[in-house]
Amino acid sequence: EVQLVESGGGLVPPGGSLRLSCAASGFTFSIYGMHWVRQAPGKGLEYVSSITSDGDTAHYANYVWGRFTISRDNSRNTVYLQMGSLGPEDMAVYYCAKGSSGSYSLGYYLDYWGQGTLVTVSS
Amino acid sequence: SYELTQPPSVSVSPGQTASITCSGDKLGNKYTCWYQQKPGQSPVLVIYQDTKRPSGIPERFSGSNSGNTATLTISGTQAMDEADYYCQAWDSSTAVFGGGTKLTVL
Repeated sequence: EVQLVESGGGLVPPGGSLRLSCAASGFTFSIYGMHWVRQAPGKGLEYVSSITSDGDTAHYANYVWGRFTISRDNSRNTVYLQMGSLGPEDMAVYYCAKGSSGSYSLGYYLDYWGQGTLVTVSS
Repeated sequence: SYELTQPPSVSVSPGQTASITCSGDKLGNKYTCWYQQKPGQSPVLVIYQDTKRPSGIPERFSGSNSGNTATLTISGTQAMDEADYYCQAWDSSTAVFGGGTKLTVL
C-alpha cells in the first residue's frame, strides 16, 4: 500500500523558515517524481514544486522561486521542502504527492497524496 | 501563465448525471486529470489522461477532453459523490489546477 506521511508543519513567524518532510513507503521511491501541492484554508489546490526521481531537476511555482527548495533522499525514501521568507500568503496545508513516473512526460499525473501538514505563519 | 477555469458550484439530484467543466486555451492538446476532495480529506485521483479511471474508482466517473474544454461526468450520482472536484493539467513541466467545483447532491 502506498503511503505518504508529511511532517514538519507548525507555527512560524513571518519571515521565518521551515522544513517539511514526506516519508514514502509501499513503492519504489527512487523511480518516481515527487511533488508538493498546497491548499490555503477554504481555498483550492495550488502547485508548489516538483522533483524528478533522480533529484537532478526541480521545478517551482513562480511565487516560491528563490524562497523554497525541494530535495529528496532516495536512501531514506523521503522528499523535503525547505521554505524560507514565509509570509501570511504561505499559510496552508502542504500535501506531498507521488508522480506516475520518474519525471514529467505527456500523460503524467499525481496518483497518490499524503494527508498533509499545516503551516501557520503568524507572530 | 496557463489558467484553468471551473464553475464554482454544480448541483445535481441523486441518480442524475453531473457534468463539471474545465476550460483552458487549447486544453484538448494536453492531458487532463480530475481529483475529488471531500471535507477534511486529501485529494483522490478519479480520472487521468482525460478518460482513464484508476483502480477502485467507480465506473460512473468518466472524462472527456476536446477543444478548450475538459469535462468530468458522474452518471447516477450518489450522495457520497458530494465533494470538491479539481481539474489539473501540465504547462511547462509545472502543474496547473482549476479553481475547483463544489458538487452538491440534493
